[in-house]
Amino acid sequence: GAVVSQHPSWVICKSGTSVKIECRSLDFQATTMFWYRQFPKQSLMLMATSNEGSKATYEQGVEKDKFLINHASLTLSTLTVTSAHPEDSSFYICSARNAGTSIYEQYFGPGTRLTVT
Amino acid sequence: KQEVTQIPAALSVPEGENLVLNCSFTDSAIYNLQWFRQDPGKGLTSLLLIQSSQREQTSGRLNASLDKSSGRSTLYIAASQPGDSATYLCAVGAGNQFYFGTGTSLTVIP
Repeated sequence: GAVVSQHPSWVICKSGTSVKIECRSLDFQATTMFWYRQFPKQSLMLMATSNEGSKATYEQGVEKDKFLINHASLTLSTLTVTSAHPEDSSFYICSARNAGTSIYEQYFGPGTRLTVT
Repeated sequence: KQEVTQIPAALSVPEGENLVLNCSFTDSAIYNLQWFRQDPGKGLTSLLLIQSSQREQTSGRLNASLDKSSGRSTLYIAASQPGDSATYLCAVGAGNQFYFGTGTSLTVIP
């Protein structure tokens, strides 16, 4: 149980275009989902926290107008990278928290590799 | 703000050797600590989770310890195998989020 999927697993897009990444909790309801970014040779950094039906909370230094997060249902959150630039190329990982459990009980998705050319 | 450090950054050992990975954190007010494995280009696989009230957890050849007062955790891998080669991340749960270390890249040489 407690499986989180991401789609796509990898994507290449041209500079200036937008790309959407989906994060789904397959067998549980996720009231909270988290989006992380990992640059090469670096660790994961929390970008934003999204609660179902409300606006996402962004970490300092993360542009909310560039990284649009939607958490419209208890099983799906999306991250849209708008007007992507090569410096946005990174590994994006989401995690989900099961409803009614501690915020620290998160299940991680397999990640999405974004390359902006 | 919590800062998590992992030493060493990279480690190469011959197959069969026992090894220890280290993780330190700056604020002892943590909820839990988790060790993950990450293969190249892949997501995270949870290995061991230690609650703040616990001192260690074991799973197979893996043993993780936690000393909250000194801000340290270790991951002990017994009888290493080539399949253990990966990056190992520790993450501290605190302040409603996880703080990740930069990882230790482990290579087990056959």
